[in-house]
Amino acid sequence: DTGVSQDPRHKITKRGQNVTFRCDPISEHNRLYWYRQTLGQGPEFLTYFQNEAQLEKSRLLSDRFSAERPKGSFSTLEIQRTEQGDSAMYLCASSPTLNEKLFFGSGTQLSVL
Amino acid sequence: QKEVEQDPGPLSVPEGAIVSLNCTYSNSAFQYFMWYRQYSRKGPELLMYTYSSGNKEDGRFTAQVDKSSKYISLFIRDSQPSDSATYLCAMSEDDYKLSFGAGTTVTVRA
Repeated sequence: DTGVSQDPRHKITKRGQNVTFRCDPISEHNRLYWYRQTLGQGPEFLTYFQNEAQLEKSRLLSDRFSAERPKGSFSTLEIQRTEQGDSAMYLCASSPTLNEKLFFGSGTQLSVL
Repeated sequence: QKEVEQDPGPLSVPEGAIVSLNCTYSNSAFQYFMWYRQYSRKGPELLMYTYSSGNKEDGRFTAQVDKSSKYISLFIRDSQPSDSATYLCAMSEDDYKLSFGAGTTVTVRA
């Protein structure tokens, strides 16, 4: 069990570019979550998956954001046409089914210039 | 008003002191309560997890939940410099979506 892995750790991009982040959850964890954290704030829920099914999306997740979890394993979060307001730490977490103990990765720090 | 309010800090205490961290919330449907520790540039790490009201102790950490007052606390006894971090309270009413406080930054001085 190597924990939740996120890649890349840091991403610097120019406004208007597309970016994609990857998350590898703890093996055999059925649930996968994406959260966003800005400086001085706690993480905010974006979306979550039960296996390959995306079961809820926060209203924070605009149409420019899309998340997938093909085959119920790793997940990707894509942001299209990035804006400066998208600059944040994007955190992935996983948990076993029906368990609130979320285990977080180290996050991807996005900076949009 | 935010759903979860956390004492903003920062807190600076001498080594060996007791650290007291607090959160209040407005959603009476919350039934799962957690404390996470977050080091700089790292993801949150689960410290304590409690269901409903009551106390839970784990080593130097004690979590308290008072649902009647909508108030939760975390106490750290015999604090160490390695406890210096940001502490986040989190809670949820269901089994998938957490609401976090903004965090309290704690510095334990050697």
